[in-house]
Amino acid sequence: NAGVTQTPKFRILKIGQSMTLQCTQDMNHNYMYWYRQDPGMGLKLIYYSVGAGITDKGEVPNGYNVSRSTTEDFPLRLELAAPSQTSVYFCASSSGPKIAYEQYFGPGTRLTVT
Amino acid sequence: EDKVVQSPLSLVVHEGDTVTLNCSYEVTNFRSLLWYKQEKKAPTFLFMLTSSGIEKKSGRLSSILDKKELFSILNITATQTGDSAVYLCAAVDRGSTLGRLYFGRGTQLTVWP
Repeated sequence: NAGVTQTPKFRILKIGQSMTLQCTQDMNHNYMYWYRQDPGMGLKLIYYSVGAGITDKGEVPNGYNVSRSTTEDFPLRLELAAPSQTSVYFCASSSGPKIAYEQYFGPGTRLTVT
Repeated sequence: EDKVVQSPLSLVVHEGDTVTLNCSYEVTNFRSLLWYKQEKKAPTFLFMLTSSGIEKKSGRLSSILDKKELFSILNITATQTGDSAVYLCAAVDRGSTLGRLYFGRGTQLTVWP
């Protein structure tokens, strides 16, 4: 069981470039989340999804977009990278909000925008 | 303004010491409090606390929640170098449909041999 996988592990972008961070889970979880973690800070929720075809904004959605075409995949898109988006990005999934709040995290993607 | 505040932000101890990590929260529709351990990669789940006064234990780690005073503590006894990590707590907001987590900034624990 792979759990939650993320690619790439590291990426350096130039200002204005675009990229997609991939996230896949094999636990058949309906709920998926994208967080960013800045140095010395807690995790901030960017976007979340409660099932295929349903997404919504979290605390810090500006500059990002998501899609959820399948239960397994929840990619995060950065359209015009900015230095403020330099962070570590974590994808997570859970079986549901009312059953279990235990969120399973992927290994993270470290993104640097210069 | 942080909804979840952890203290101390960092802590250095020697192997065998006992440590107490603190987490206070201010979430309007509080449901649960979660503790995670983060060792330079993804956070891994430790405990979920929903009821006051009931201690959760896992080996040398234990945690308890006080819903009246709005805080939780995580205790680690007989610390080992492998306990070195950032410990995150997160408060769950029951008001949202998704089980929204508000994370604290974490406590960086370093255990010296």
